[in-house]
Amino acid sequence: AQTVTQSQPEMSVQEAETVTLSCTYDTSESNYYLFWYKQPPSRQMILVIRQEAYKQQNATENRFSVNFQKAAKSFSLKISDSQLGDTAMYFCAFKTGANNLFFGTGTRLTVIP
Amino acid sequence: NAGVTQTPKFQVLKTGQSMTLQCAQDMNHEYMSWYRQDPGMGLRLIHYSVGAGITDQGEVPNGYNVSRSTTEDFPLRLLSAAPSQTSVYFCASSGQASNQPQHFGDGTRLSIL
Repeated sequence: AQTVTQSQPEMSVQEAETVTLSCTYDTSESNYYLFWYKQPPSRQMILVIRQEAYKQQNATENRFSVNFQKAAKSFSLKISDSQLGDTAMYFCAFKTGANNLFFGTGTRLTVIP
Repeated sequence: NAGVTQTPKFQVLKTGQSMTLQCAQDMNHEYMSWYRQDPGMGLRLIHYSVGAGITDQGEVPNGYNVSRSTTEDFPLRLLSAAPSQTSVYFCASSGQASNQPQHFGDGTRLSIL
């Protein structure tokens, strides 16, 4: 069975500071993909960043980067220079070759002005 | 480019009523899926389809039916609504390759009284 665990239900960060959201997962698959999705109050699900398990290099998208530790099955999201628009729920998700996504329970991030 | 379109955005039903949530995508994606989002539980997979004429069950399929007669459309049917089905429902689609991220609709908030 695939499981995704986000152990931080809520976090807050000062504007312009850096914050890291944690995610761990469990799988017996050797090839898989990891994603972080953002859900603002508008309810949309927005892809933030993705990582392919066979790639050792950590993915980066502008102010967003990941720390992917395959042996530890850890996939944390770092947000640098936090902005008010980053306030949202963040979901870690895992996908196998069957194409189905498994989500964590989410972390609610609040950026404080 | 409309992406994934869900209708309606909001709906209130009485227990025992039937309802179809519509989902359409214009990206020629082969893979489509339905998730429900409940407080504190993240998104959970209800049903999915890897192409026209092919559907399969996800994590929480009970009480829901789907069909896929065309590549574009993937409706979700509640035959006899129950209060436990009160939730926010998301439709998503992606290309068939596993590294393709899923594109989400804006969600349908469904309340069963």
